[in-house]
Amino acid sequence: QSVLTQPPSVSGAPGQRVTISCTGSSSNIGAGYDVHWYQQLPGTAPKLLLYAYTNRPSGVTDRFSGSKSGTSASLAITGLQAEDEADYYCQSYDRRVSGSVFGGGTKLTVL
Amino acid sequence: QITLKESGPTLVKPTQTLTLTCTFSGFSLGTRGVGVGWFRQPPGKALEWLALVYWDDDKRYSPSLKTRLTITKDTSRNQVVLSMTNVDPVDTARYYCAHRHAGYSGAGDAFDIWGQGTTVTVSS
Repeated sequence: QSVLTQPPSVSGAPGQRVTISCTGSSSNIGAGYDVHWYQQLPGTAPKLLLYAYTNRPSGVTDRFSGSKSGTSASLAITGLQAEDEADYYCQSYDRRVSGSVFGGGTKLTVL
Repeated sequence: QITLKESGPTLVKPTQTLTLTCTFSGFSLGTRGVGVGWFRQPPGKALEWLALVYWDDDKRYSPSLKTRLTITKDTSRNQVVLSMTNVDPVDTARYYCAHRHAGYSGAGDAFDIWGQGTTVTVSS
């Protein structure tokens, strides 16, 4: 069981907006540690999508955005495209672990 | 341009020690703020953080695996080595190394560049 909780799957039609939640606790998100999001296309390595909730690395489209609310974070994807079909992971720091923790991953299906 | 590449055995027998090497370019582990982490992903499962070494040789380990892991850096050779003792079939996974995002100054770590990964199977 992952320290951060994500829905196993989400889906949406092309052009739609979807959100993926990431729920933590007082030892990670609630303690003020940032959340980072990764996209993993089938058969490839993870790619950093957002860091510190809302910051996009160079080259990441602004169709991806993030937010925080209490002990949770959310990833929003607008204007869904077939190429967005992938697994998405949230990651944070946990002071009980003294290291990184991940969510269980969310599989995005573009209908 | 930062690149990382993992290497090591593809098949290991139970109880043996697994040694993986991450060879990187485009940065130096002697530079303040730099770090390299190791992760794994069992088939069809989620990512798991294993260990991290910082530029100052500070080392962090996943508590659940701490007794079995050793991470070392060789700054002159641009390599980070992860050793895992007493492997078991549950350790079968794709193993990744990744560069700690130097542009992130918050508490904790983000990883911006990942290697392609290497698949390790533990089986007799």
